Amino acid sequence: DAGVTQSPTHLIKTRGQQVTLRCSPKSGHDTVSWYQQALGQGPQFIFQYYEEEERQRGNFPDRFSGHQFPNYSSELNVNALLLGDSALYLCASSYQNRAHGYTFGSGTRLTVV
Amino acid sequence: RKEVEQDPGPFNVPEGATVAFNCTYSNSASQSFFWYRQDCRKEPKLLMSVYSSGNEDGRFTAQLNRASQYISLLIRDSKLSDSATYLCVVNSPNQAGTALIFGKGTTLSVSS
Repeated sequence: DAGVTQSPTHLIKTRGQQVTLRCSPKSGHDTVSWYQQALGQGPQFIFQYYEEEERQRGNFPDRFSGHQFPNYSSELNVNALLLGDSALYLCASSYQNRAHGYTFGSGTRLTVV
Repeated sequence: RKEVEQDPGPFNVPEGATVAFNCTYSNSASQSFFWYRQDCRKEPKLLMSVYSSGNEDGRFTAQLNRASQYISLLIRDSKLSDSATYLCVVNSPNQAGTALIFGKGTTLSVSS
């Protein structure tokens, strides 16, 4: 049973660059949520995708955008990277936009230099 | 006010101790409540859901007080393997979705 898969696992980018992170949900799941976790902090909600639409968004600037594909996989794009964007980016999948049954991927560790 | 606030840590306890974590949430419309566990440099994993009547899973007991918007987690007979960060989580419902909102987390260190 495939869990949530995220790629890449690690990434180093320069300030001002753009980055795309990818997530494949757990088999049977159709909802994808993205979180940013800075060191020593809890995961901060970025946005949630269901039926290829952004359903909810946290307090993140427009530099953060996303997409969900027909196969339920998702991408997170961050433009004009700042040093403060350095964090672990977590993807979680669930079924039909429900709060129960979230499964997290291992995350992508982004370092902005 | 943050949506989910937790006790500041860290908690350092000996094996066998009982430890309690507290959490408050601000959105009275929240309907789903959880405790997640996160080991160092790993992803969060569900520890247990929290129900209005309170619920127990082995050495772990969770309580919910909707009137006070307060959630707690009690760990009895702490084990070394309980060392981790415990995250209080509530859902943030709106008409379009139901995202999970995490607290900052409380770190527990159990020593022998």
